[in-house]
Formats: sequence, structure tokens, C-alpha cells
Amino acid sequence: ETGVTQSPTHLIKTRGQQVTLRCSSQSGHNTVSWYQQALGQGPQFIFQYYREEENGRGNFPPRFSGLQFPNYSSELNVNALELDDSALYLCASSSTNQETQYFGPGTRLLVL
Amino acid sequence: AQSVTQLDSQVPVFEEAPVELRCNYSSSVSVYLFWYVQYPNQGLQLLLKYLSGSTLVKSINGFEAEFNKSQTSFHLRKPSVHISDTAEYFCAVRGGSQGNLIFGKGTKLSVKP
Repeated sequence: ETGVTQSPTHLIKTRGQQVTLRCSSQSGHNTVSWYQQALGQGPQFIFQYYREEENGRGNFPPRFSGLQFPNYSSELNVNALELDDSALYLCASSSTNQETQYFGPGTRLLVL
Repeated sequence: AQSVTQLDSQVPVFEEAPVELRCNYSSSVSVYLFWYVQYPNQGLQLLLKYLSGSTLVKSINGFEAEFNKSQTSFHLRKPSVHISDTAEYFCAVRGGSQGNLIFGKGTKLSVKP
């Protein structure tokens, strides 16, 4: 059984650019959640995908968008990058009952 | 709205000493509570969780936490810490209609020899 994987591990972008982050969920999990962890803070919920549909969203602007694919992997897209988007982006997967979420190693994004 | 408060941002402790990391939550509904650990430059690893049943839950590496409904707390304890326990610890409550996690700001545990 493989765990949650994310790619890339690190990324450097400039303001105004667009970025795509990827996540493969743990085997048997059909729900993927994305979190943003700014330096020195706890993770903040961005949104969740269940069976290829957005299933809930935190307090993030529309330039944060996502996709989930039939194999339950997911993408997080961020348009018009801002300096404050610099953070560790964490993906978590869970099964239908959603009691426990298992996290990937994260993608560290730096916006210059 | 649900929230989580971790009362200590940093906890320095000597090796083999006991430690308690404090966590308080606010919730008007049934709670699922979690502790995650984050080692430097890594993601979050589930340490232990309370879903229902016994209020005392334990991890495989000696940590334990007790759900206290009256005090709305879920403090994490270990009777004797090791250097390898140095990490940041996050308390979280499952909240929202979609079951997303609401995290505290974290407590950095620093174990000194």
C-alpha cells in the first residue's frame, strides 16, 4: 500500500505566474484535501475533492482551483501568484467516512 | 465556528524528562481530535486520534492524549522524551460540513541532551 505522494517537492516562481501542484492519494482513498501552511503557522484548509467534484472550500480566492481525476489523484492550480502564496502545500487523502486524513510530504512553493 | 488553541508555541525540555503539550478546542458538535507531528522539512504524520470510546488514546512511540469534554482539552503527554521527539506538534479538530481539519498554530518541542 503506497502512501500519499506529491510533486514537485520544491518550486520557485515569480509574481503573476501560474503553478500546478500534484497529489496521488493513498490506495483506496477517494477524497483529497489541500492545505496551505505558511511559515510558522498551522495548515489552513483550501478545498476538498470527492469523486471528481469540489466538496467544500476554505477562505481562499478563486485563483486557487483544483481537479480530481478518475484515479482520485488531484491537482492544485494557483493563478496570478502573489508573494504571500509562498508556503508549504499539503495534500491529504481519506476514505469515504473521512475520519482520518493522511498527509503527503508537501510541496514547498517560493514566490519571488 | 470551531477553533483550536495550542497554548505554548515552544516547549524546551531535557531528554528523559516528562512533557505536556496543551491543546484546547471549541466545538458545539461531536468532536474528532487529532495530533499530528511534523519533522523539519517534512509533511504531517498522524500521531494519535480520538474518535470515540476510551478518552485516553496512545501512540506506538509512547505519547498519549486524553480527551476531556468538560475542559474541552486534548493535551498530549509523554513521560520520558527522547532527542528524536524534537519536532513541531499540531493539534487538530475535524470541522466543517466536509470534514476538513482545523489546526492549531503548533508547538515546537525541543529536546535537549
